[in-house]
Amino acid sequence: QQQVKQSPQSLIVQKGGISIINCAYENTAFDYFPWYQQFPGKGPALLIAIRPDVSEKKEGRFTISFNKSAKQFSLHIMDSQPGDSATYFCAASGGNYGQNFVFGPGTRLSVLP
Amino acid sequence: DAGVTQSPTHLIKTRGQQVTLRCSPKSGHDTVSWYQQALGQGPQFIFQYYEEEERQRGNFPDRFSGHQFPNYSSELNVNALLLGDSALYLCASSKTPGGHSPLHFGNGTRLTVT
Repeated sequence: QQQVKQSPQSLIVQKGGISIINCAYENTAFDYFPWYQQFPGKGPALLIAIRPDVSEKKEGRFTISFNKSAKQFSLHIMDSQPGDSATYFCAASGGNYGQNFVFGPGTRLSVLP
Repeated sequence: DAGVTQSPTHLIKTRGQQVTLRCSPKSGHDTVSWYQQALGQGPQFIFQYYEEEERQRGNFPDRFSGHQFPNYSSELNVNALLLGDSALYLCASSKTPGGHSPLHFGNGTRLTVT
């Protein structure tokens, strides 16, 4: 049972463009939503995270938008750079899941120079 | 400041064998979680250790077991290996076992079962 859905599966963006990745969750007990970035041969690294009491959080070029009623959240990467090319995972935790983070299937982002 | 370290980086085993993977958490962290990442998929939670006890477990069979030592390092053991156990095994540490405590991942151990 896929509790966190993520789209698109892959994304190609020109340098300087905006990358947008969307996620949807089912379990209303989730109350912490991080995004992770993973480069080939490396473990995932935390990018940015949000809690459902805010609708948006921005850190540098990365912004999370959160829609609690729709149970959806998204990652926006502004001014995308070739160095941003990686796989991005959304995740959710909370409620009975505790620190059992449930990850989406990932989005492979390629930023063309 | 050393991050999460895992050993070995790669491992090849035969079906039916047993394997032990090791993890040292980030300095200052006392909680260790293990995740399995199949090729092209997101990580899946195996279990979490805190105060040398298994605190939470995902949907994995008893063939998967673990241990946490007094220095907070941890081991993941998998018995009776199946071809489907081939994956990247990720260790993650955090400051507390709470659901809002960010995970810091190691670079994983790539296990291949033949």
